[in-house]
Amino acid sequence: AQSVSQHNHHVILSEAASLELGCNYSYGGTVNLFWYVQYPGQHLQLLLKYFSGDPLVKGIKGFEAEFIKSKFSFNLRKPSVQWSDTAEYFCAVNALYNQGGKLIFGQGTELSVKP
Amino acid sequence: EAGVAQSPRYKIIEKRQSVAFWCNPISGHATLYWYQQILGQGPKLLIQFQNNGVVDDSQLPKDRFSAERLKGVDSTLKIQPAKLEDSAVYLCASSLGGRIEKLFFGSGTQLSVL
Repeated sequence: AQSVSQHNHHVILSEAASLELGCNYSYGGTVNLFWYVQYPGQHLQLLLKYFSGDPLVKGIKGFEAEFIKSKFSFNLRKPSVQWSDTAEYFCAVNALYNQGGKLIFGQGTELSVKP
Repeated sequence: EAGVAQSPRYKIIEKRQSVAFWCNPISGHATLYWYQQILGQGPKLLIQFQNNGVVDDSQLPKDRFSAERLKGVDSTLKIQPAKLEDSAVYLCASSLGGRIEKLFFGSGTQLSVL
């Protein structure tokens, strides 16, 4: 079965530290890849997405992610985090054999940024 | 543009009781989804509607869960009877024509089953 694995359950960083959150998926075919963010008390929001083309994608608020097909990975990065980045981050995959919006989510990584 | 509306925001019930959640998607969004998010896990799709028809309900526990979208607009998800393991946040999402890159989530209903 298709699955998504996020390596870290909880990450704690100080402001200005660099961030990398790992995401691996198990499906071998063509996929669309997403990172969502959920700030405290708010709804899930799309941070960035990869459909095709340049495997390095840039999203909102200085986030970027790199799709490495050979590693089945889509890691999220940010060079310098801010306190306002404190949130939960979810990686999600849509396998293209299954059209219409079925996303498989990872279990999430909670990021705490210390001021 | 108004977002996806859900109610109630919180619900506490005892096991074996029934509960219903309501969702009003963004205007014009034909595709509506219900997700279940258990604490410490990512959201899991329960059911997907296209207008008032079911596209995917493969992960919906049909012995106790039901959902409808009678007029192709708002939707209701019901649990009857509830079990302890149903404690979760129930998220509604909608998209225009099933385009997953344009998926918008509501704030969810947090259900606690005691």
